[in-house]
Amino acid sequence: NAGVMQNPRHLVRRRGQEARLRCSPMKGHSHVYWYRQLPEEGLKFMVYLQKENIIDESGMPKERFSAEFPKEGPSILRIQQVVRGDSAAYFCASSPIAGGPHEQYFGPGTRLTVT
Amino acid sequence: GESVGLHLPTLSVQEGDNSIINCAYSNSASDYFIWYKQESGKGPQFIIDIRSNMDKRQGQRVTVLLNKTVKHLSLQIAATQPGDSAVYFCAERGLGGGNKLTFGTGTQLKVEL
Repeated sequence: NAGVMQNPRHLVRRRGQEARLRCSPMKGHSHVYWYRQLPEEGLKFMVYLQKENIIDESGMPKERFSAEFPKEGPSILRIQQVVRGDSAAYFCASSPIAGGPHEQYFGPGTRLTVT
Repeated sequence: GESVGLHLPTLSVQEGDNSIINCAYSNSASDYFIWYKQESGKGPQFIIDIRSNMDKRQGQRVTVLLNKTVKHLSLQIAATQPGDSAVYFCAERGLGGGNKLTFGTGTQLKVEL
């Protein structure tokens, strides 16, 4: 009965490197959401995906950020050429088919530090 | 104890007292609201939700009040316990429905023994 899993829990990258954050949804969940949280702030929506399909990416920065949720395997949030401003906690949530907002179950997050 | 949301990010209460955490939302078209609890180093955890056609909803030790006239949401925690210490966020679902949530800044609740 595992919950949403994210790895790594902590990630350190130098400026200019790539960061890959993984999210495995709860069993039976086919919808994934990514949020970013800066220190002392609330979560900011980034992207909403179903298997092999991006539903809403209105919160994604236009450059360097991409997300995917393949038919098999975890969802991946990819940040290319990281900058210090990308340092944040990135949370993934999953929900079942046709689940409402209250059914978004959050993972423990990945804390990205860019040095 | 009572907070004023964004203007008072930390709320300290004595164990056993009631806590009131406030949130002002901005989108008058929001139709659904959720309160989350986030403990240090963890992801947000669902506490309670309320739809815009209601003004009050009760759970176990928690009550959410919604005042659409002034776009204000509050979370009341009865008999606050040390385990309630966390950051509390309100979130709203706005135009277009779907599952995209907009989170508030949060209020840190500290329970003193």
